[in-house]
Amino acid sequence: ETGVTQTPRHLVMGMTNKKSLKCEQHLGHNAMYWYKQSAKKPLELMFVYSLEERVENNSVPSRFSPECPNSSHLFLHLHTLQPEDSALYLCASSQDEGAGANVLTFGAGSRLTVL
Amino acid sequence: GQNIDQPTEMTATEGAIVQINCTYQTSGFNGLFWYQQHAGEAPTFLSYNVLDGLEEKGRFSSFLSRSKGYSYLLLKELQMKDSASYLCAVREGNYQLIWGAGTKLIIKP
Repeated sequence: ETGVTQTPRHLVMGMTNKKSLKCEQHLGHNAMYWYKQSAKKPLELMFVYSLEERVENNSVPSRFSPECPNSSHLFLHLHTLQPEDSALYLCASSQDEGAGANVLTFGAGSRLTVL
Repeated sequence: GQNIDQPTEMTATEGAIVQINCTYQTSGFNGLFWYQQHAGEAPTFLSYNVLDGLEEKGRFSSFLSRSKGYSYLLLKELQMKDSASYLCAVREGNYQLIWGAGTKLIIKP
């Protein structure tokens, strides 16, 4: 596997369910990100981790809970979501320093539908 | 406030040239990125400008004017595979990127 891998690619859940999105990067990057992408709207940064420490938390509802157990893995735990949370959730990684610093490599995304 | 504007949709002809504009108003500036996103796929990095001027990379070029808060992406010799959305983003801090809503480019034969 190379690049940034996200699972599952598609997820349908009810408002009372608990599910998790998983992201894995094989690039040796030290920063990982969760973004939300809704149709015709700009990408919204949700969380950033650098060296497993959360460095950005952009006023995201507590029903979204990130977890970064190591620099290669990132999770987004979901519980009691709302229909308006239906969107494409993109994971990305980057290198903090050196050539290509902060250039994001994205995963293909997890398409979430909340019923 | 923070704002990035780019056209919602553009149409161009195969083999032609198209320029996608991006204007921005942000509280900080540490560079401007362009990404390409094909439908149903991940955004992929195209270019990065931090100084004024033109950066050329094959058929794609990106221009930046910091004093005008303006950038454009120039695509030459358009191919059908260039049909995609093009995202403009300004880096404010170390990790914070402010994104435009994207320009959907439609290429016609």
